[in-house]
Parts: sequence; structure tokens; C-alpha cells
Amino acid sequence: QVQLLESGPGLVRPSQTLSLTCTVSGGSIIGPGYSWAWVRQHPGKGLQWIGHISFRGTTSYNPSLQSRLTISADTSNNQFSLRLTSVNAADTAVYYCARLHSAWYAFDSWGQGTLVAVSS
Amino acid sequence: SSELTQDPAVSVALGQTVRITCQGDSLRNYFANWYQQKPGQAPVLVIYGRHSRPSGIPDRFSGSSSENTASLTITGAQAEDEADYYCHCRDNTGDHELFGGGTKVAVL
Repeated sequence: QVQLLESGPGLVRPSQTLSLTCTVSGGSIIGPGYSWAWVRQHPGKGLQWIGHISFRGTTSYNPSLQSRLTISADTSNNQFSLRLTSVNAADTAVYYCARLHSAWYAFDSWGQGTLVAVSS
Repeated sequence: SSELTQDPAVSVALGQTVRITCQGDSLRNYFANWYQQKPGQAPVLVIYGRHSRPSGIPDRFSGSSSENTASLTITGAQAEDEADYYCHCRDNTGDHELFGGGTKVAVL
């Protein structure tokens, strides 16, 4: 049973960079059949896909975030990361990492989520 | 368009049946997936590939679709089914993911 766990600071200053890491256990991020994704949820709002990285290392980003976003993988530690630059209050959200099944295009496993607040 | 539209809220009497719908052009080309989210918890996949259930999901949850509309049906709703439900599918670029705005289900 794969498990995902987000880690990173809970508070980021405006204009700074938000960096989060997702540690995957019970499965390899370079195993075929899955991509590894970030999804966020603004307080009291719905889910927003941020982007994902495939087991081959190719990335896909939400167009609304693309200019500020980098998703990368650390295969030696079985982790993948999100880096969002020039943050503002609108980036305050719960950030989830999730596994995206490549055949069904379904998020079949999720981390518990981590709240990131952007505030001075 | 690249959007998925859901009704904001529905209610159902305990033990009765409720259908939640999701509309969008992408649903003509890609299957809908459905997620249940309870307050303070991460989403949980309840239906994938239009009508398949992951292991552990009760069979009172079912999915269907027709043209640009996908549906999640809860047959015999239980108190523990009270939650937000989100539809999701790949968009027509074939590379991006879309979520519906979510439907809050109240079990009365």
C-alpha cells in the first residue's frame, strides 16, 4: 500500500518561494504506470490540480501556475517536490501530493495534506 | 470549454438514493473519476474509469456517464456518506487535469 507524506514550511513570506516535498513509501516513483502530482485546496474551496511529473520525469503544469512552478523528482530518496515562486496570499492553501494512475488518469492515493499560509 | 460543472449542494434522506452530476466537454473523451472528501481529511477515490470502485469502497457507490455528463449515485445513503464529492477528468489537451467545483451532500 503506497503512502505519501508532504513536508515543508507552514508559513511563507509574500514574494518568496514555496517549497514542498512528498516522500513516497510502499512504491517507487520510477515504477511505470504512475505520475506524481500536486493538488491544492484554498480554504473552504474546491480542489485545484497544480501539476505532475511522470515516472519518466516529464512534467505537466496548470497553465495558471506554469510561469512560477517547478515539479521535480529525487529518485534516490523516492521523493518529488514542488517549487512555487513569487507567492502571494492567493497561494495560501492545503497542498496535497497524490499518485496519478496513468491508465485511468485517477488520483488513487493521497497524502494527508499540509497547510501553507502566505503571510508577512 | 475546459471546465467541469457540479451542483453546489444536494440533500438526501437517510437510506434514499442521490445522484450527483458533473458536466463538461472533456467527459466526451475521458472517463470521470469521483472523490469523497470529509472535513479535515484528504480526498478519497470512490469511482474511477467511469464506473469502477477501488477496493474497500461500498457498492452503494456507482458511476455512469452519457455524452458530456457523468454521474455518481449513492443508493441507500448512510450518515457517513455526508461529505463533499468532486468529479475529475483529464482535459481535452490530453495533458492537464480538471476538477469540478464539488457537491456538498447532506444526509438528513
